Amino acid sequence: QVQLVESGGGVVQPGRSLRLSCTASGFKFKSYAFHWVRQTPGKGLDWVAALSYDGVNKYYADSVKGRFTISRDNSKTTVYLQMDSLRTDDTAVYYCARDKNFGMLILPDYWGQGTLVTVSS
Amino acid sequence: QSVLIQPPSASGTPGQRVTISCSGIPSNLEFDYVYWYRQLPGLAPELVIFRDDQRPSGVPDRLSGSKSGTSASLAITGLRSEDEAHYYCAVWDDRMNGVLFGGGTKVTV
Repeated sequence: QVQLVESGGGVVQPGRSLRLSCTASGFKFKSYAFHWVRQTPGKGLDWVAALSYDGVNKYYADSVKGRFTISRDNSKTTVYLQMDSLRTDDTAVYYCARDKNFGMLILPDYWGQGTLVTVSS
Repeated sequence: QSVLIQPPSASGTPGQRVTISCSGIPSNLEFDYVYWYRQLPGLAPELVIFRDDQRPSGVPDRLSGSKSGTSASLAITGLRSEDEAHYYCAVWDDRMNGVLFGGGTKVTV
């Protein structure tokens, strides 16, 4: 079965960096695109970034453009989100999600359980 | 990123029908299908409708989706206590190259 497991969350000071990982299993990893979506506790879903199946196309929300970088390592079936210059308003639960569409980048189907990132001094 | 418009809440008694709207879907998108996600308290979102009206395996036919123009709807019939959750609509906006989510609707049974 499809499994996505996020890790790397924690408490970090404003301006510092953090790297989230999402390890996948149960499907042909290299054929799927991925998304990162975040959610501030008690609020709605906020799309952060997406990466095509081949790693060529990367897309970012305006709020994180230039600060966050999405990448993948097919040999480790892992997707990463490098977060630099963190701000207090980046505090959220970060979800990794697989795109539903084989070989395309559109919208997610399976989601991980999320990892909490708290940016605070 | 702009947000699709959903009512903040909807409610019904067991067995009733509830409909959630999602408006403000941009027109002329290359891929203009709407997806719906359900998020139970404390859990990750899960896909319940894709491509406007398709149900993933395991999602009961009590849930149905529809779309017309720049609006979409999710209907839940035969309402049950386990339907209490937040529901979000989403589209891929190829003009902005990003996912647009609705603000979410909390369904109370």
